[in-house]
Amino acid sequence: AQSVTQPDIHITVSEGASLELRCNYSYGATPYLFWYVQSPGQGLQLLLKYFSGDTLVQGIKGFEAEFKRSQSSFNLRKPSVHWSDAAEYFCAVIHQGGSEKLVFGKGTKLTVNP
Amino acid sequence: DAMVIQNPRYQVTQFGKPVTLSCSQTLNHNVMYWYQQKSSQAPKLLFHYYDKDFNNEADTPDNFQSRRPNTSFCFLDIRSPGLGDAAMYLCATSRIGTVYNEQFFGPGTRLTVL
Repeated sequence: AQSVTQPDIHITVSEGASLELRCNYSYGATPYLFWYVQSPGQGLQLLLKYFSGDTLVQGIKGFEAEFKRSQSSFNLRKPSVHWSDAAEYFCAVIHQGGSEKLVFGKGTKLTVNP
Repeated sequence: DAMVIQNPRYQVTQFGKPVTLSCSQTLNHNVMYWYQQKSSQAPKLLFHYYDKDFNNEADTPDNFQSRRPNTSFCFLDIRSPGLGDAAMYLCATSRIGTVYNEQFFGPGTRLTVL
């Protein structure tokens, strides 16, 4: 069964610093990959997604992610973090080929220091 | 704007008193999902409807039921809420049959059990 690992439970960065959130997946074929963000008490908002093609994916709010098949990774990056980026970030995978299930990582909580 | 709406945003119930959470969507998506998310955890899929077909996750307690009277609406019924059912409940939708199975999330309902 596919799984998603986010090794970092909590990350703290200073405002203006760069950010990388790690995500590794376990799946035999090329998965559909997603990054969602969740602000406290809110639902999940899609940041970006990867299905095929260019392995560097641009998303909303200045985020990007790179799919690396050799490393089974889909890390999220942002060159300069803003205080409003403080939130929980979830990486997720869905089975390519019609399965309805979205499998989430356990999430990474981002704290941004002024 | 097309969207996923959840009502109420906050629900307080008493131990053992049945409660119903509501989800509606204007996206005309054929799949609707219910997730349970406890504090500092990833969302956990409870069940989903693919059109009128109900699909229950194996580990979803019998205490949780769902109804989908039409394409637009889906309800989550908790027959006898326990303290352990206090959580955020997220509704999501997607359209199976297109290339992408992106899921769109509502803002969630925060359930408190007294």
